[in-house]
Amino acid sequence: AQSVTQLDSQVPVFEEAPVELRCNYSSSVSVYLFWYVQYPNQGLQLLLKYLSGSTLVESINGFEAEFNKSQTSFHLRKPSVHISDTAEYFCAVSEIQGAQKLVFGQGTRLTINP
Amino acid sequence: EAEVAQSPRYKITEKSQAVAFWCDPISGHATLYWYRQILGQGPELLVQFQDESVVDDSQLPKDRFSAERLKGVDSTLKIQPAELGDSAMYLCASSLEGTADTEAFFGQGTRLTVV
Repeated sequence: AQSVTQLDSQVPVFEEAPVELRCNYSSSVSVYLFWYVQYPNQGLQLLLKYLSGSTLVESINGFEAEFNKSQTSFHLRKPSVHISDTAEYFCAVSEIQGAQKLVFGQGTRLTINP
Repeated sequence: EAEVAQSPRYKITEKSQAVAFWCDPISGHATLYWYRQILGQGPELLVQFQDESVVDDSQLPKDRFSAERLKGVDSTLKIQPAELGDSAMYLCASSLEGTADTEAFFGQGTRLTVV
């Protein structure tokens, strides 16, 4: 079985400041890793994912996440946030073998203050 | 742009009543998921369909919950009877193949309040 822990339930930052949302996972088998974002009154959207290859993955809107196998972490970072980044962010894992079964963390609410 | 459609967006029901949610996945997506998201927690998988067949319903409380996808397209999730603890957001998602590396697309969800 897998589990995902997001260490911060809420993260308030000022606009244009850097941010890091932390995610640690536990699994006895190899997993794929995902970050989903949920904007107010919208469904979850895939932000980025790590499947294989380079451990640093990027999204189209400036977020990046680095897979660290030894620390079982997949932290999400952005060097300069915008008001429009206000949302809830969910880290998730899925076993590589077989059908996708996403196991989500509890979520981190990112609030950007002007 | 294709999207997963869910209805209703909001539902208030009294405990012990029956309630149903509907989901229409993106056209051509063989895999359909129902997740439950309790306030302050991440989504948890309830049931997964591959076409019309259930692939995983290990977390579905089968004494009161049922799900069907009769023609392998749209799906209905039913709760009977509803309990106070069922208050949550119910999310439907679909993906083209359902393999671990395939992106799942989520609908906006149905927020259920049981009173």
